[in-house]
Amino acid sequence: AQSVTQLGSHVSVSEGALVLLRCNYSSSVPPYLFWYVQYPNQGLQLLLKYTSAATLVKGINGFEAEFKKSETSFHLTKPSAHMSDAAEYFCAVSLSGNTPLVFGKGTRLSVIA
Amino acid sequence: DAGVIQSPRHEVTEMGQEVTLRCKPISGHNSLFWYRQTMMRGLELLIYFNNNVPIDDSGMPEDRFSAKMPNASFSTLKIQPSEPRDSAVYFCASSTGQGLNTEAFFGQGTRLTVV
Repeated sequence: AQSVTQLGSHVSVSEGALVLLRCNYSSSVPPYLFWYVQYPNQGLQLLLKYTSAATLVKGINGFEAEFKKSETSFHLTKPSAHMSDAAEYFCAVSLSGNTPLVFGKGTRLSVIA
Repeated sequence: DAGVIQSPRHEVTEMGQEVTLRCKPISGHNSLFWYRQTMMRGLELLIYFNNNVPIDDSGMPEDRFSAKMPNASFSTLKIQPSEPRDSAVYFCASSTGQGLNTEAFFGQGTRLTVV
């Protein structure tokens, strides 16, 4: 069975600082990996996904993530945080497009002016 | 495309009452998922359908919960009778599952409060 672990339930950064949200996965087969963002009282929106093509994946709003098989990691980064990035971020794993996503517990990102 | 549409957005009901949540997936998507989100347990998969057929309902907490997908454009999640511990945000999501289109698209959710 697959699973993901997000390190840190809450991360706080200053505006303009680097954003790093950590995600480690466990899967018996090569997985598909995702980062979703959830703004208050909203649904989940896809930021980016890894589907076994390029290991460095670029997403929306300047976010990117790197798949590292040796570390079983898929950390999310953004060079410069913006106030509008404050939200909850979820890492997820699945085995195929027809199987459910398994989500991590989420990391709440706060951006301080 | 309007995306995944859920109704109602908010529901407040009294304990013991029946609650029905509705979902219209994105046209052409053949997989549909129901998730529940709470502070304590995060996002939990309740049940999912492929081509309108329930594949895995092991996440449905009790017999009080049931889900149907009578056709490709509509699904319901019913709780009967409802209890205060069912209070949560319920999300519906759909995906095509074709090729590299592996992501799920989420609705805005239904916030259920059982008093």
